[in-house]
Amino acid sequence: AQSVAQPEDQVNVAEGNPLTVKCTYSVSGNPYLFWYVQYPNRGLQFLLKYITGDNLVKGSYGFEAEFNKSQTSFHLKKPSALVSDSALYFCAVRGNQAGTALIFGKGTTLSVSS
Amino acid sequence: EAGVVQSPRYKIIEKKQPVAFWCNPISGHNTLYWYLQNLGQGPELLIRYENEEAVDDSQLPKDRFSAERLKGVDSTLKIQPAELGDSAVYLCASSLGLAGDGDTQYFGPGTRLTVL
Repeated sequence: AQSVAQPEDQVNVAEGNPLTVKCTYSVSGNPYLFWYVQYPNRGLQFLLKYITGDNLVKGSYGFEAEFNKSQTSFHLKKPSALVSDSALYFCAVRGNQAGTALIFGKGTTLSVSS
Repeated sequence: EAGVVQSPRYKIIEKKQPVAFWCNPISGHNTLYWYLQNLGQGPELLIRYENEEAVDDSQLPKDRFSAERLKGVDSTLKIQPAELGDSAVYLCASSLGLAGDGDTQYFGPGTRLTVL
Protein backbone atom coordinates (compact mmCIF):
# COMPACT_ATOMS: atom_id res chain seq x y z
CA ALA A 1 0.00 0.00 0.00
CA GLN A 2 1.10 3.52 -0.72
CA SER A 3 1.70 5.91 2.16
CA VAL A 4 3.25 9.24 2.96
CA ALA A 5 4.68 10.44 6.25
CA GLN A 6 5.29 14.03 7.25
CA PRO A 7 7.03 13.62 10.61
CA GLU A 8 6.68 17.24 11.72
CA ASP A 9 3.34 18.81 12.53
CA GLN A 10 4.94 22.26 12.56
CA VAL A 11 8.14 23.85 11.35
CA ASN A 12 9.20 27.26 12.63
CA VAL A 13 11.73 29.33 10.71
CA ALA A 14 12.93 32.92 10.88
CA GLU A 15 12.52 35.01 7.76
CA GLY A 16 15.58 34.83 5.55
CA ASN A 17 16.69 31.47 6.89
CA PRO A 18 16.55 28.28 4.85
CA LEU A 19 13.61 25.98 5.41
CA THR A 20 13.05 22.24 5.05
CA VAL A 21 9.76 20.39 5.29
CA LYS A 22 10.26 16.65 5.48
CA CYS A 23 8.44 13.89 3.65
CA THR A 24 9.02 10.16 3.35
CA TYR A 25 7.01 7.79 1.24
CA SER A 26 6.25 4.16 0.61
CA VAL A 27 5.09 2.98 -2.80
CA SER A 28 5.59 -0.05 -4.99
CA GLY A 29 7.31 0.78 -8.22
CA ASN A 30 8.49 4.20 -9.27
CA PRO A 31 6.84 6.99 -7.32
CA TYR A 32 5.27 10.15 -8.58
CA LEU A 33 5.74 12.71 -5.81
CA PHE A 34 4.05 16.06 -5.31
CA TRP A 35 4.05 19.02 -2.97
CA TYR A 36 1.00 21.20 -2.47
CA VAL A 37 0.47 24.28 -0.30
CA GLN A 38 -2.79 25.29 1.35
CA TYR A 39 -3.51 28.77 2.62
CA PRO A 40 -6.40 29.34 5.07
CA ASN A 41 -9.81 28.79 3.50
CA ARG A 42 -8.22 27.98 0.17
CA GLY A 43 -7.82 24.84 -1.86
CA LEU A 44 -4.54 23.06 -2.46
CA GLN A 45 -2.12 24.82 -4.75
CA PHE A 46 0.39 22.75 -6.74
CA LEU A 47 4.05 23.59 -6.01
CA LEU A 48 6.17 20.97 -7.73
CA LYS A 49 6.45 17.32 -8.68
CA TYR A 50 8.99 14.59 -9.26
CA ILE A 51 8.33 12.15 -12.08
CA THR A 52 11.74 11.07 -13.28
CA GLY A 53 15.16 12.49 -14.07
CA ASP A 54 17.05 15.04 -12.01
CA ASN A 55 16.66 14.41 -8.29
CA LEU A 56 16.42 18.14 -7.56
CA VAL A 57 13.11 19.54 -8.70
CA LYS A 58 12.39 23.26 -8.85
CA GLY A 59 8.90 24.62 -8.45
CA SER A 60 6.85 27.71 -7.81
CA TYR A 61 7.78 30.61 -5.50
CA GLY A 62 11.41 29.56 -5.15
CA PHE A 63 10.65 26.15 -3.66
CA GLU A 64 12.57 23.04 -4.59
CA ALA A 65 12.52 19.43 -3.49
CA GLU A 66 15.11 16.71 -3.45
CA PHE A 67 14.18 13.15 -4.33
CA ASN A 68 16.25 10.53 -2.53
CA LYS A 69 15.40 7.02 -3.61
CA SER A 70 17.57 5.21 -1.07
CA GLN A 71 16.02 7.12 1.81
CA THR A 72 12.55 7.18 0.19
CA SER A 73 12.36 10.89 0.92
CA PHE A 74 11.17 13.98 -0.91
CA HIS A 75 11.95 16.95 1.31
CA LEU A 76 10.73 20.42 0.37
CA LYS A 77 13.28 23.21 0.64
CA LYS A 78 13.71 26.91 0.13
CA PRO A 79 16.98 28.81 0.55
CA SER A 80 15.44 31.91 2.12
CA ALA A 81 12.03 31.82 3.81
CA LEU A 82 9.46 34.61 3.55
CA VAL A 83 6.71 35.43 6.03
CA SER A 84 4.26 34.89 3.18
CA ASP A 85 5.42 31.25 2.94
CA SER A 86 3.56 30.55 6.19
CA ALA A 87 0.93 27.95 5.29
CA LEU A 88 0.06 24.26 5.44
CA TYR A 89 2.17 22.03 3.21
CA PHE A 90 1.18 18.60 1.95
CA CYS A 91 3.34 15.92 0.41
CA ALA A 92 1.55 13.40 -1.81
CA VAL A 93 2.42 10.27 -3.74
CA ARG A 94 0.77 8.17 -6.36
CA GLY A 95 1.66 5.24 -8.54
CA ASN A 96 2.71 5.73 -12.14
CA GLN A 97 -0.68 5.09 -13.71
CA ALA A 98 -2.38 8.23 -14.90
CA GLY A 99 -5.51 9.24 -13.08
CA THR A 100 -4.91 7.37 -9.87
CA ALA A 101 -5.65 9.14 -6.62
CA LEU A 102 -3.05 10.99 -4.64
CA ILE A 103 -2.18 9.71 -1.19
CA PHE A 104 -1.49 12.67 1.07
CA GLY A 105 0.48 13.11 4.23
CA LYS A 106 -1.24 14.77 7.16
CA GLY A 107 0.41 18.08 6.43
CA THR A 108 3.04 20.30 8.03
CA THR A 109 2.32 23.82 9.17
CA LEU A 110 5.14 26.18 8.26
CA SER A 111 5.43 29.32 10.35
CA VAL A 112 7.89 31.98 9.24
CA SER A 113 8.54 34.75 11.74
CA SER A 114 9.77 38.22 10.89
CA GLU B 1 -7.14 29.82 -17.91
CA ALA B 2 -9.85 29.35 -15.31
CA GLY B 3 -9.13 26.95 -12.50
CA VAL B 4 -11.39 24.39 -10.89
CA VAL B 5 -14.61 26.06 -9.76
CA GLN B 6 -16.62 24.86 -6.79
CA SER B 7 -19.80 26.08 -5.20
CA PRO B 8 -20.94 26.85 -2.66
CA ARG B 9 -17.82 27.83 -0.75
CA TYR B 10 -19.53 27.40 2.59
CA LYS B 11 -22.63 25.49 3.66
CA ILE B 12 -24.26 25.16 7.06
CA ILE B 13 -27.09 22.67 7.45
CA GLU B 14 -28.95 20.81 10.15
CA LYS B 15 -28.25 17.10 10.51
CA LYS B 16 -30.49 14.82 8.45
CA GLN B 17 -30.84 17.49 5.76
CA PRO B 18 -29.61 16.91 2.20
CA VAL B 19 -26.76 18.91 0.69
CA ALA B 20 -25.14 19.11 -2.74
CA PHE B 21 -21.81 20.40 -3.96
CA TRP B 22 -20.98 21.39 -7.51
CA CYS B 23 -17.67 21.30 -9.35
CA ASN B 24 -16.60 22.51 -12.78
CA PRO B 25 -13.15 21.21 -13.75
CA ILE B 26 -10.49 22.87 -15.84
CA SER B 27 -11.49 22.84 -19.50
CA GLY B 28 -10.23 19.75 -21.26
CA HIS B 29 -9.53 17.78 -18.09
CA ASN B 30 -11.03 14.34 -18.48
CA THR B 31 -10.39 13.11 -14.95
CA LEU B 32 -12.29 14.56 -12.01
CA TYR B 33 -11.79 13.74 -8.34
CA TRP B 34 -13.73 14.43 -5.18
CA TYR B 35 -11.66 14.44 -2.00
CA LEU B 36 -12.70 14.78 1.64
CA GLN B 37 -10.47 16.78 3.95
CA ASN B 38 -11.10 16.51 7.67
CA LEU B 39 -9.65 19.09 10.01
CA GLY B 40 -5.94 18.55 10.52
CA GLN B 41 -5.71 15.84 7.90
CA GLY B 42 -4.69 15.47 4.31
CA PRO B 43 -7.36 14.98 1.64
CA GLU B 44 -8.70 11.48 1.00
CA LEU B 45 -10.28 10.33 -2.23
CA LEU B 46 -14.03 9.81 -2.32
CA ILE B 47 -14.56 9.16 -6.02
CA ARG B 48 -12.74 9.49 -9.33
CA TYR B 49 -14.28 9.95 -12.76
CA GLU B 50 -12.81 9.28 -16.18
CA ASN B 51 -15.10 11.36 -18.37
CA GLU B 52 -18.58 10.37 -17.20
CA GLU B 53 -17.58 7.00 -15.75
CA ALA B 54 -16.92 6.54 -12.04
CA VAL B 55 -13.79 4.38 -12.11
CA ASP B 56 -12.96 4.43 -8.39
CA ASP B 57 -15.72 4.89 -5.84
CA SER B 58 -14.48 2.37 -3.30
CA GLN B 59 -14.17 5.02 -0.56
CA LEU B 60 -17.55 6.64 -1.17
CA PRO B 61 -20.06 5.86 1.62
CA LYS B 62 -22.80 4.81 -0.74
CA ASP B 63 -25.52 4.63 1.86
CA ARG B 64 -25.65 8.42 2.05
CA PHE B 65 -23.28 9.80 -0.59
CA SER B 66 -23.87 9.92 -4.32
CA ALA B 67 -22.15 11.63 -7.21
CA GLU B 68 -22.70 12.18 -10.88
CA ARG B 69 -20.89 13.56 -13.88
CA LEU B 70 -23.54 13.17 -16.53
CA LYS B 71 -21.92 14.88 -19.51
CA GLY B 72 -18.33 14.25 -18.54
CA VAL B 73 -17.72 17.85 -17.54
CA ASP B 74 -19.11 19.26 -14.31
CA SER B 75 -19.99 17.08 -11.37
CA THR B 76 -22.26 17.07 -8.34
CA LEU B 77 -21.63 15.37 -5.01
CA LYS B 78 -24.64 14.83 -2.76
CA ILE B 79 -25.11 13.78 0.85
CA GLN B 80 -28.51 12.63 2.04
CA PRO B 81 -29.03 12.66 4.93
CA ALA B 82 -26.09 14.57 6.38
CA GLU B 83 -24.62 13.55 9.73
CA LEU B 84 -22.59 15.53 12.23
CA GLY B 85 -19.45 13.65 11.21
CA ASP B 86 -19.77 14.87 7.63
CA SER B 87 -18.54 18.30 8.67
CA ALA B 88 -15.38 18.74 6.60
CA VAL B 89 -14.03 20.38 3.47
CA TYR B 90 -14.99 18.76 0.19
CA LEU B 91 -12.40 19.32 -2.50
CA CYS B 92 -12.75 18.82 -6.20
CA ALA B 93 -9.72 18.30 -8.43
CA SER B 94 -9.16 17.64 -12.10
CA SER B 95 -6.37 16.41 -14.33
CA LEU B 96 -5.77 15.65 -17.98
CA GLY B 97 -5.63 11.93 -17.32
CA LEU B 98 -2.45 11.52 -19.33
CA ALA B 99 0.58 9.67 -17.98
CA GLY B 100 3.15 11.79 -19.73
CA ASP B 101 3.77 14.66 -17.32
CA GLY B 102 2.74 12.99 -14.12
CA ASP B 103 -0.88 13.96 -14.57
CA THR B 104 -0.87 16.83 -12.09
CA GLN B 105 -4.11 17.30 -10.20
CA TYR B 106 -5.37 20.84 -9.76
CA PHE B 107 -7.70 21.61 -6.90
CA GLY B 108 -10.64 23.91 -6.44
CA PRO B 109 -11.10 26.10 -3.36
CA GLY B 110 -13.31 23.53 -1.67
CA THR B 111 -16.69 23.61 0.05
CA ARG B 112 -16.61 23.82 3.82
CA LEU B 113 -19.59 21.92 5.20
CA THR B 114 -20.80 22.40 8.75
CA VAL B 115 -23.51 20.06 10.01
CA LEU B 116 -25.30 21.22 13.16
